Amino acid sequence: EPEVTQTPSHQVTQMGQEVILRCVPISNHLYFYWYRQILGQKVEFLVSFYNNEISEKSEIFDDQFSVERPDGSNFTLKIRSTKLEDSAMYFCASSGPGRKNEQFFGPGTRLTVL
Amino acid sequence: GQSLEQPSEVTAVEGAIVQINCTYQTSGFYGLSWYQQHDGGAPTFLSYNALDGLEETGRFSSFLSRSDSYGYLLLQELQMKDSASYFCAVAGGDNYQLIWGAGTKLIIKP
Repeated sequence: EPEVTQTPSHQVTQMGQEVILRCVPISNHLYFYWYRQILGQKVEFLVSFYNNEISEKSEIFDDQFSVERPDGSNFTLKIRSTKLEDSAMYFCASSGPGRKNEQFFGPGTRLTVL
Repeated sequence: GQSLEQPSEVTAVEGAIVQINCTYQTSGFYGLSWYQQHDGGAPTFLSYNALDGLEETGRFSSFLSRSDSYGYLLLQELQMKDSASYFCAVAGGDNYQLIWGAGTKLIIKP
């Protein structure tokens, strides 16, 4: 069964450093999303991506963040100048044509900023 | 602002039925989704309601009343593996970005 994959599973970085979180969505999916979940809290929407451009972004997704689909399979989230409060689980999700309502989530990347 | 309210914790007995309620107040509404998340795991899609009424998928059912801004997830014949957190989430725009509730931790006792 096709699945969304994410790498790395755990990323530890120093405050002020840049990190890139990687995702491979399901191959025939068209809509891509990044969410984050601070430990013990609810999931928060960051950004949606369709047709090679950002389609929607939340207030959290400021200039510190950027997304890219560098090739036909990868979808990346870059966080510049990381802060302690960026520590969270970051989930990538994708949904297929005609089924935007059913989002498939990757296993997540746990980001720890020290 | 946008908000979704659901109980923080529900306890039930194995084999029983449990209902998890969700009320929402969002600027946009395309539908109400439910996701299951086990500790340390990723959210898994359970159901989606765009129209009023009941949707049934096996042991799980989901209900929506748009006029009341209310929905619920009904879990029947509870099994120990159903112990997890359950999130309601509103698809708030035509890109179906999800606005999430805080989650309900379902504790199942034998």
